[in-house]
Amino acid sequence: GAGVSQTPSNKVTEKGKYVELRCDPISGHTALYWYRQSLGQGPEFLIYFQGTGAADDSGLPNDRFFAVRPEGSVSTLKIQRTERGDSAVYLCASSSTGVGEAFFGQGTRLTVV
Amino acid sequence: EDKVVQSPLSLVVHEGDTVTLNCSYEVTNFRSLLWYKQEKKAPTFLFMLTSSGIEKKSGRLSSILDKKELSSILNITATQTGDSAIYLCAVGDRITLVFGKGTRLSVIA
Repeated sequence: GAGVSQTPSNKVTEKGKYVELRCDPISGHTALYWYRQSLGQGPEFLIYFQGTGAADDSGLPNDRFFAVRPEGSVSTLKIQRTERGDSAVYLCASSSTGVGEAFFGQGTRLTVV
Repeated sequence: EDKVVQSPLSLVVHEGDTVTLNCSYEVTNFRSLLWYKQEKKAPTFLFMLTSSGIEKKSGRLSSILDKKELSSILNITATQTGDSAIYLCAVGDRITLVFGKGTRLSVIA
């Protein structure tokens, strides 16, 4: 596609529920990143994919968070047993080179009530 | 731990003013420094600076990387209300981008 696409743009869920956030990167971009941004903060790194594999998942806060990219294109960020502290904007970015010009999607605003 | 610090955290100026935003960093394996503009949710790419390209300019915006001082500045001349946004500085290490908290710029008419 022309840009990075994230769905849904907004998600409200109840505490304890499971959510999936989707990212469709720019076509041909092998590097894909997930970030989380809380109010007043810069984006915080969660996980980085190079192709299908998670090259670095050191930013995932705990084992409730998991992400996949089975075919090296679309990625899904999965959050189990959501907590109110998970509320944030989840940003996805892709890059053709890795740590070059990373292009961001519009993000998914997750609200856990 | 890699760290990126931006200053000021917020800034209010009048249209036509020139502003300078600052970014300093401590990164183990520096590869690049990037500036983004964030108006709503998606940060939009402005510049990337590396050891081989320490100065970039596009219209009223320009940026310089000082590798000796481990810092960068973003200059905006003749500011317009449309420049109002959060400006994010990010430093690329071996794997990913580490972001600062951003500078919130408000340009008033």
